[in-house]
Amino acid sequence: DTGVSQNPRHKITKRGQNVTFRCDPISEHNRLYWYRQTLGQGPEFLTYFQNEAQLEKSRLLSDRFSAERPKGSFSTLEIQRTEQGDSAMYLCASSSRATGTGELFFGEGSRLTVL
Amino acid sequence: AQTVTQSQPEMSVQEAETVTLSCTYDTSESDYYLFWYKQPPSRQMILVIRQEAYKQQNATENRFSVNFQKAAKSFSLKISDSQLGDAAMYFCAYDKIIFGKGTRLHILP
Repeated sequence: DTGVSQNPRHKITKRGQNVTFRCDPISEHNRLYWYRQTLGQGPEFLTYFQNEAQLEKSRLLSDRFSAERPKGSFSTLEIQRTEQGDSAMYLCASSSRATGTGELFFGEGSRLTVL
Repeated sequence: AQTVTQSQPEMSVQEAETVTLSCTYDTSESDYYLFWYKQPPSRQMILVIRQEAYKQQNATENRFSVNFQKAAKSFSLKISDSQLGDAAMYFCAYDKIIFGKGTRLHILP
């Protein structure tokens, strides 16, 4: 399978705990994006990477959110001290600058439930 | 700041009929991409169609076509010969940053 892979698919945690999500993009894609999607809403852009460089992070929801892409391959999104309002689907997508079309390829998402 | 508005939260169409989903956006840029994405229930989002703003010709992909009105900042999606598999949430997107709230499309057999 050469699509975008996200793990875990579901995460239930207690308020105050830290959680980390992983995204493995399509191998030849150099751009990687994170979004949050709540029920009944469209994806909300959080941050993106070109290779290992994080080019936009001002839209991360708070300083409890951080993302890394250390070697320009997979990425992690960490949420510290989770709150009930963090419950959502976290989507990862990748794209290739080479194609120039801007098409995003999405993973199936990681659903977070904060109790 | 860019915005995307989808004014139809839900729509229904009879199988084999044609339906149009509306999208308006706002931007001060002159060159950009617009997209329609489809999100089937419990499945990942996939691209339906894209439009480059500098191209005047409306994009088409098989049964899917757009009506792109740059001056009006309108970008509607037309689905012809609707099929049961078209049932999904449809999101209009400006570049990779701004998504609309979506339109849930029901296909009636």
